[in-house]
Amino acid sequence: EVQLVESGGGLVQPGGSLRLSCAASGFTFSGYWMSWVRQAPGKGLRWVANIKGDGSASYYVDSVKGRFTISRDNAKNSLYLQMNSLRAEDTAVYYCVKEGGYTFSHWGQGTPVTVSS
Amino acid sequence: EIVLTQSPGTLSLSPGERATLSCRASQSVSSSYLAWYQQKPGQAPRLLIYGASSRATGIPDRFSGSGSGTDFTLTINTLEPEDFAVYYCQQHGTKTFGPGTKVDIK
Repeated sequence: EVQLVESGGGLVQPGGSLRLSCAASGFTFSGYWMSWVRQAPGKGLRWVANIKGDGSASYYVDSVKGRFTISRDNAKNSLYLQMNSLRAEDTAVYYCVKEGGYTFSHWGQGTPVTVSS
Repeated sequence: EIVLTQSPGTLSLSPGERATLSCRASQSVSSSYLAWYQQKPGQAPRLLIYGASSRATGIPDRFSGSGSGTDFTLTINTLEPEDFAVYYCQQHGTKTFGPGTKVDIK
C-alpha cells in the first residue's frame, strides 16, 4: 500500500524559511516523479513543483521559482521542499503526491504552512 | 497556459440522483492527460478517473468519465451519501486544476 507522510509544516514569519519532508513507502520510490501540491484555505488545488525519479530534473510553478527547491533522497525514500522568502500567499496545506500514468495517483494527508507575523 | 473551467460551481442534489459535472479546457487537451479527483472536507484529494474515462483502483462503477478535446464530463450515477464532496478536473500536461464543483445535499 502506498503511503506518503508529510511533516515540517508550521507557523513562520514572512521572509522566513521552512523545510517540508515526505516519507514514502509501499512503492519503488526512485521510479516515480513526485510532486508538491498546495491548497490555500478555502481554495482549490495548485501544483507547486515536481522532480524526476532520479532527481535529474525538476520544475516549478512561476510563483515559487527562485524561492522553493524540491529535492529527494532515494536512499531514504524521502521527498523535500525547501521554502525560502516565504510570503503570506504561500499559506496553504502542502500535499506530497506520487505521480503515475499522467495523474497525481496518490496523496499524503498534507502538512499546513502558515506565513504570518 | 491551458485554463480549466468547471460548471456548475455548486450542484445541489439528493441521494439517489445523478450528478453531471462539466470541465471545459481553453484549448484542446489530450484525453490521456485528463483526470478527476474527489476531495471531502478535511481530507486529501483522491484520484477517481484518469485518461478521461478510466476508473482508478477501487473506484465504484457509479463514477464514469467521458469527453475529448475541450469538453469533459464526470457522471455520478445514483448518488450515495459519501459522494457529497468537491470534484476537481486536472490536465496533467501543465499540471493545471479546475476550480472545482461542489456537490452538496439538497
